[in-house]
Amino acid sequence: DGGITQSPKYLFRKEGQNVTLSCEQNLNHDAMYWYRQDPGQGLRLIYYSQIVNDFQKGDIAEGYSVSREKKESFPLTVTSAQKNPTAFYLCASSIDAGNEQFFGPGTRLTVL
Amino acid sequence: KQEVTQIPAALSVPEGENLVLNCSFTDSAIYNLQWFRQDPGKGLTSLLLIQSSQREQTSGRLNASLDKSSGRSTLYIAASQPGDSATYLCAVLYSGGGADGLTFGKGTHLIIQP
Repeated sequence: DGGITQSPKYLFRKEGQNVTLSCEQNLNHDAMYWYRQDPGQGLRLIYYSQIVNDFQKGDIAEGYSVSREKKESFPLTVTSAQKNPTAFYLCASSIDAGNEQFFGPGTRLTVL
Repeated sequence: KQEVTQIPAALSVPEGENLVLNCSFTDSAIYNLQWFRQDPGKGLTSLLLIQSSQREQTSGRLNASLDKSSGRSTLYIAASQPGDSATYLCAVLYSGGGADGLTFGKGTHLIIQP
C-alpha cells in the first residue's frame, strides 16, 4: 500500500521541549516537504528536500530543523526556539521538485 | 511577495448544482498549479495538476482551467453531491528563485446541501 505516513497523529508538548514529527514515504519520491497549517491561513512551507542529504529552508524555518538521511524519511524537529508551535503539520512528497505533490494525513501538535 | 487568493471563502449550494471556485495569483511565472481537497482534520487530497503550458485538466466531474496571462484558475464542479463538501485549496508552484514549495490560498469552504 503506497503512500505517505505521518506519526504521531496527535502530539502534546510542554513548553521548552523539543519534539520530532515523523514522515515516511514508500513512493520512491526524491522530493519531500514540510508545511504548517494554522486556522484561517494557507499552508506555509517550513523546509523542503530535493534529494537525500540535502534540504533547504522554506518561508518559516525559524525554530525548526530537519534531516534527510534516507530517501524514504524526512523527520521534522520542532525546537523550543519555535515561539508558537501549536499547529497542524503536513508532510508531502513529489517524484521530483516541480511535479505533483502528495500529502500525508498530518500531525496535530499542541503545546501545553 | 507572491500571493494566492481564493474567492469565495465559503459557499453553500443545493445538491445537483454546477459551481465554480476561483483562484488568482500575483505572478504569472508559474511552473504549475494544483487543486486540493481537504476534509476536516485530514491531510490534502490532490484533485488536479495543471502544468504552465496547459489550459485545462479534467477528472470526472471536475474541470480546472488556467489562464496565466490574467493570473487566474477556476475549478468547475459539475452536478455537485453532498460528498463534495470539503475545503478546496488552490496552490501554485512558482518558477525561478526562492523555495520550491507550493504557495497556497486560504481555501474555499464548500457545503453541498442534500
